[in-house]
Amino acid sequence: RKEVEQDPGPFNVPEGATVAFNCTYSNSASQSFFWYRQDCRKEPKLLMSVYSSGNEDGRFTAQLNRASQYISLLIRDSKLSDSATYLCVVAYNTDKLIFGTGTRLQVFP
Amino acid sequence: DTEVTQTPKHLVMGMTNKKSLKCEQHMGHRAMYWYKQKAKKPPELMFVYSYEKLSINESVPSRFSPECPNSSLLNLHLHALQPEDSALYLCASSQSGLQYFGPGTRLTVT
Repeated sequence: RKEVEQDPGPFNVPEGATVAFNCTYSNSASQSFFWYRQDCRKEPKLLMSVYSSGNEDGRFTAQLNRASQYISLLIRDSKLSDSATYLCVVAYNTDKLIFGTGTRLQVFP
Repeated sequence: DTEVTQTPKHLVMGMTNKKSLKCEQHMGHRAMYWYKQKAKKPPELMFVYSYEKLSINESVPSRFSPECPNSSLLNLHLHALQPEDSALYLCASSQSGLQYFGPGTRLTVT
């Protein structure tokens, strides 16, 4: 079983749609959780950290459920520029990140 | 400013060549990393330096040799690479658990 699992997609959604990505992790000792976005042939960029209390940044909402070892990302009012691969990332300590395989999102007009 | 810079952007090298990848950050981050990323795969951790000392080596072959000359610089020395080592090599730095990536060096081994 992979340490961090994501549905690879692709998710094809129209502009303005709401889309949700899920991620599960296997190690209950995981301490920190993040979503990164990666555009084709570019580096991963930190999108947001994820907390049990949930956190929101504009159209993006992330949620962590430690009991179920489950992380989610919700994107509201999708834009064409949201098209990218979204990487779920888990850390056991502050230095070592474990990346999921990524979920590809394609937003169409 | 969360900028990590890497040079060169692209590198083509033969299997007998020796080359180096360079990474720089001026954010005062204590930790720096090298990752390798193949197409359609997530980044794989290679090395971690914390306070200029190697703290993690993910069983990387010795043909990859990291070096941290100071707290702002990280190098990756390459020697006798194989074609399967062709990939995007990403540098990152972090403070307080948040990692920021450079744009990467796209390496092709011929």
